[in-house]
Amino acid sequence: SQQGEEDPQALSIQEGENATMNCSYKTSINNLQWYRQNSGRGLVHLILIRSNEREKHSGRLRVTLDTSKKSSSLLITASRAADTASYFCATDIMEYGNKLVFGAGTILRVKS
Amino acid sequence: DTAVSQTPKYLVTQMGNDKSIKCEQNLGHDTMYWYKQDSKKFLKIMFSYNNKELIINETVPNRFSPKSPDKAHLNLHINSLELGDSAVYFCASSQDKSIAGGPDEQYFGPGTRLTVT
Repeated sequence: SQQGEEDPQALSIQEGENATMNCSYKTSINNLQWYRQNSGRGLVHLILIRSNEREKHSGRLRVTLDTSKKSSSLLITASRAADTASYFCATDIMEYGNKLVFGAGTILRVKS
Repeated sequence: DTAVSQTPKYLVTQMGNDKSIKCEQNLGHDTMYWYKQDSKKFLKIMFSYNNKELIINETVPNRFSPKSPDKAHLNLHINSLELGDSAVYFCASSQDKSIAGGPDEQYFGPGTRLTVT
């Protein structure tokens, strides 16, 4: 069964605006990861946040993690047309070691 | 230098055929994976190998057989292809567990789009 679920399924914004994507999961985790996938390409790792961390930044990306609510958010500030892609959250399932379970993704479209 | 490479990029074949997809990583990682991404972009793990040893084997039909000749290669062989096998297949690699436990970041190949007619 699916572990992570992203919300919204699709998001369309203007260049320069901020984009927020949410991810909810069901079981206890060791860490949560966000990936980006451009059309026709493989996934690219963006950020890994551990279960004992609450917030992490990388450039224009900000990820938060709320383990009590079993949710995470990815914020992209000052979006660019090049940010147009699908964004996936992925979590492990503590009992199953290295197995990553991906959500269905959020399709982000940034209009210039 | 391509970190994780897959060949071929596109594969069109008929039902009943046998085909292979090759994957190589030059990152020195210990663990390699095969994922299947369906038409709705849902990504599901199929297999995982650590140092040539199978560690994850999801409920995949036994027509799918991974083979890891060495730590840097993980190939996927598919027998008796079916229409439902049409998808994009991704190879990925990672180091072993991260410091705090749990999976490390994974590096994905460009994908192989398999079309079965």
